[in-house]
Amino acid sequence: DIQMTQSPSSLSASVGDSVTITCRASQTISSYLNWYQQTPGKAPKLLIYATSSLQSGVPSRFSGSGSGTDFTLTISSLQPEDFATYYCQQTYSTALTFGGGTKVEIK
Amino acid sequence: QITLKESGPTLVKPTQTLTLTCTFSGFSLSTIGMGVGWIRQPPGKALEWLALIYWDDDKRYSPSLKSRLTITKDTSKNQVVLTMTNMDPVDTATYYCAHLLRVGGHDAFHTWGQGTVVTVSA
Repeated sequence: DIQMTQSPSSLSASVGDSVTITCRASQTISSYLNWYQQTPGKAPKLLIYATSSLQSGVPSRFSGSGSGTDFTLTISSLQPEDFATYYCQQTYSTALTFGGGTKVEIK
Repeated sequence: QITLKESGPTLVKPTQTLTLTCTFSGFSLSTIGMGVGWIRQPPGKALEWLALIYWDDDKRYSPSLKSRLTITKDTSKNQVVLTMTNMDPVDTATYYCAHLLRVGGHDAFHTWGQGTVVTVSA
């Protein structure tokens, strides 16, 4: 299996801050990396697919980058509705895997 | 508009078999590039992918759970069924089904169901 490691596991930030979350794959996954957002009690929501493609309806303050084994999700100006848990997911191998999640909390 | 809804028992006993149904609308699972996956989330923990079925009936399973899982589709009913055998309390989780779309060769779960909570207890 390809292991996906997210860092940090949690962070505290203020509204308006820029935030970066990292996802590292245990082997190369090319650009087969997606990001999801989950708020408490809700189903996950796709934010970014194929490393950097913004899902329809997702604000442009969200962006993704990377290739190979190292990827980042950046939120350029944190809004109140962005406080949530974020998961990366690789779809390179036939066995899909998610990262452990990064919880973004209000400072 | 694409919607998915999971249904099944909320409580199962250890060793029993769990059967979950995902009923969807807004797409056809016979269309190239479509799929439906199952993902679960134990309370307070991360997402775990379980299984996936594609439009061409290609099936994928989590290696760690493969011996316990079966995924099937009924295209005429717009349903996907997941069975998991030999349930254990550690399988207690919210189970989600999700619509997979392949765009430019890249798969992602574009739309998710609301999830269904399954508790395993005697």
